[in-house]
Amino acid sequence: DGGITQSPKYLFRKEGQNVTLSCEQNLNHDAMYWYRQDPGQGLRLIYYSQIVNDFQKGDIAEGYSVSREKKESFPLTVTSAQKNPTAFYLCASSLNGELFFGEGSRLTVL
Amino acid sequence: AQKVTQAQTEISVVEKEDVTLDCVYETRDTTYYLFWYKQPPSGELVFLIRRNSFDEQNEISGRYSWNFQKSTSSFNFTITASQVVDSAVYFCALSEGGDSSYKLIFGSGTRLLVRP
Repeated sequence: DGGITQSPKYLFRKEGQNVTLSCEQNLNHDAMYWYRQDPGQGLRLIYYSQIVNDFQKGDIAEGYSVSREKKESFPLTVTSAQKNPTAFYLCASSLNGELFFGEGSRLTVL
Repeated sequence: AQKVTQAQTEISVVEKEDVTLDCVYETRDTTYYLFWYKQPPSGELVFLIRRNSFDEQNEISGRYSWNFQKSTSSFNFTITASQVVDSAVYFCALSEGGDSSYKLIFGSGTRLLVRP
């Protein structure tokens, strides 16, 4: 089935550790995105990529890093520099103006 | 700056009632897109509709309808004869034109609870 796969679904991390969230899509979409969702709030854009080997910062990029070496993959690394990393992370891809989202990864920092 | 406001934090209705979710947006662009997404408890966002700024026709899809009014910068969403399965968080979002990246600015969401 075509879609976006995020892993892991749940992740626990100790303070000071980096963690990488995976996002893979088989929809052949050029553009991919990472959003962060906090309780009771809307989604905020972390990073996005319109083509392979190119990406741009979103509104809240500090403490995060990404790569786009393959069209299908857009991993997000939450670094130890991110002050408040506990959140729900959603990956998306788009074609012709419609965004398709993965099921999300819930990161908890202990 | 662009902004999306969903003033209703939470709405509770009894099954079969009609319910309208409000969305007000701010943008300086003349070309933009408006979206509604549904987020069920599973967490995934489900696309419901996209409307561009040049198309003010209201749209109906089954029990769902959308009322886009540029004069009031609003894009409201109505569910007719609500059902328990409609319980979810609904997000309104804005994307400005001239940028094919479709970066979305989301409202804070409205949690809808439909009671049996």
